[in-house]
Amino acid sequence: SQTIHQWPATLVQPVGSPLSLECTVEGTSNPNLYWYRQAAGRGLQLLFYSVGIGQISSEVPQNLSASRPQDRQFILSSKKLLLSDSGFYLCAWGGAGGPTGELFFGEGSRLTVL
Amino acid sequence: AQSVAQPEDQVNVAEGNPLTVKCTYSVSGNPYLFWYVQYPNRGLQFLLKYITGDNLVKGSYGFEAEFNKSQTSFHLKKPSALVSDSALYFCAVRPLDTGFQKLVFGTGTRLLVSP
Repeated sequence: SQTIHQWPATLVQPVGSPLSLECTVEGTSNPNLYWYRQAAGRGLQLLFYSVGIGQISSEVPQNLSASRPQDRQFILSSKKLLLSDSGFYLCAWGGAGGPTGELFFGEGSRLTVL
Repeated sequence: AQSVAQPEDQVNVAEGNPLTVKCTYSVSGNPYLFWYVQYPNRGLQFLLKYITGDNLVKGSYGFEAEFNKSQTSFHLKKPSALVSDSALYFCAVRPLDTGFQKLVFGTGTRLLVSP
């Protein structure tokens, strides 16, 4: 069966420091991968998605970037964090079922920028 | 733009009573609609989806949802609520114009089931 892992689960970083959040999917190949951010415990905003290695699409301009160095690895990064980057970051994968298939989410990474 | 709206920030229901969490959608063409649940500090868990066919969709944990095209709604329901159903519920729609699987989520509805 497929599983999705995110780490770290919790992160506290000072303003201006770099960021790297990792997401790995197991048990599937060539998944579509997504990064969402959930602010204030409510709505989810799609940040990036990727349909293959090295292919990244950004949904909103921001202080973050994403990379996909391997088929089942998706990384969210920042060179200098802002206070507004605080939030709960969720990685998701999709692929099985094509356009009618659901997304499967990881357990999330909570980032607090101080 | 394709979107969903969840008009209630919070729904309160007593254990054993039926529950409904509302969702309306705005899409062009036939929608793909989804419901997810989120427990505190956890990721989202898939409950059910409507793609085509029967308007009543059954999902996990006894939940079901009714697709109503004339009212552009996809309300989540359960005949008898449990305290453990207390969580944040998200309705989502898949835009059909991108060719990808990304989902657009509503703002969420907090369900509180009292003993």
